[in-house]
Amino acid sequence: SQQGEEDPQALSIQEGENATMNCSYKTSINNLQWYRQNSGRGLVHLILIRSNEREKHSGRLRVTLDTSKKSSSLLITASRAADTASYFCALGITGGGNKLTFGTGTQLKVEL
Amino acid sequence: NAGVTQTPKFRVLKTGQSMTLLCAQDMNHEYMYWYRQDPGMGLRLIHYSVGEGTTAKGEVPDGYNVSRLKKQNFLLGLESAAPSQTSVYFCASSPGPNSPLHFGNGTRLTVT
Repeated sequence: SQQGEEDPQALSIQEGENATMNCSYKTSINNLQWYRQNSGRGLVHLILIRSNEREKHSGRLRVTLDTSKKSSSLLITASRAADTASYFCALGITGGGNKLTFGTGTQLKVEL
Repeated sequence: NAGVTQTPKFRVLKTGQSMTLLCAQDMNHEYMYWYRQDPGMGLRLIHYSVGEGTTAKGEVPDGYNVSRLKKQNFLLGLESAAPSQTSVYFCASSPGPNSPLHFGNGTRLTVT
């Protein structure tokens, strides 16, 4: 399969805690992207990390990429109730044109 | 900025009926995509376009047709709807290869 697999499928934490989501894949990629989807809405782009990069930050978000292990992680620090959403990794597959292949997502719930 | 606009937001069809979903973007993006989202399956690419007048098949193209007559519009057609096409359809656009996607808010289609 060329699809990324997110782990865990669901995650429930308390506000203020950190949330970590993982994405594993089996194919060769030139970039990996993370998206957020609030209930009933479209996906919103969070971070793009290229295959020659190991780590990127954006505000409270930190993404790592390990191409040797074919895995990526998304860390949300000091989570807030507003972070409650589904998070998807998307693979920009080498030789796949500009098509992105999405995983099935991690459902994050941040409780007050 | 409107970004990516999808119409309609909701639609109910009977088996065998036809319809067209419209996607419009005002960001002058070259690339446009149609995805469907089903529970537990993430997003799957139906068709995409890398420029005005071009279209290409994605992962699940059967039963759908598309047209990109104008750069800002990407139409998705169902000629003879089937219950298996009950889904949420998302349109997205991007400025070029290996770039983040901008998503619309989706069209929820039910085929009875």
